[in-house]
Amino acid sequence: DAKTTQPTSMDCAEGRAANLPCNHSTISGNEYVYWYRQIHSQGPQYIIHGLKNNETNEMASLIITEDRKSSTLILPHATLRDTAVYYCIVSYGDKIIFGKGTRLHILP
Amino acid sequence: DTAVSQTPKYLVTQMGNDKSIKCEQNLGHDTMYWYKQDSKKFLKIMFSYNNKELIINETVPNRFSPKSPDKAHLNLHINSLELGDSAVYFCASSTTRGELFFGEGSRLTVL
Repeated sequence: DAKTTQPTSMDCAEGRAANLPCNHSTISGNEYVYWYRQIHSQGPQYIIHGLKNNETNEMASLIITEDRKSSTLILPHATLRDTAVYYCIVSYGDKIIFGKGTRLHILP
Repeated sequence: DTAVSQTPKYLVTQMGNDKSIKCEQNLGHDTMYWYKQDSKKFLKIMFSYNNKELIINETVPNRFSPKSPDKAHLNLHINSLELGDSAVYFCASSTTRGELFFGEGSRLTVL
């Protein structure tokens, strides 16, 4: 069972930063926060993950609150190609369980 | 070069038939998975293998039998196909840090 809560859908204007929230209030001390996205019917794509520090890579930034009960994925300059379902997952080890995710619409 | 490749991409078959989906990864990962995504778009983990050994089996019917001949391959065989087996099946492999790399999916339609 997914241990995260995400909004069902969000809109963001093209060129603006997209901020996707995720609540994971029951996260354990050794569990990581992972973000994936699925564009249309393609296979899910790994975006970023973190334990407690904020992380940044070429795709996105991950901000994790100090109590680790929530996090935000930031796409700094959203484009139309970022329209997808974004999944926030907490996991330790090999069992990556996907929830319903947030459907992000990037508006032209 | 495709990192995780699945064949076939599309499969249409009759109820009661037996079919297989093959998966290969050239990333050198030790762990591979099968996920099922049904019409409601829910992605469910089915199986996971680590270095040819089964480590996750998520209450999948016995009609589904994964086979891992080596750590680069994880095939899925399905016996006595049912209408409810219609879905997109995704294969994936993962790094030691838990980053999953997915294939493009195999869309199975059971008539």
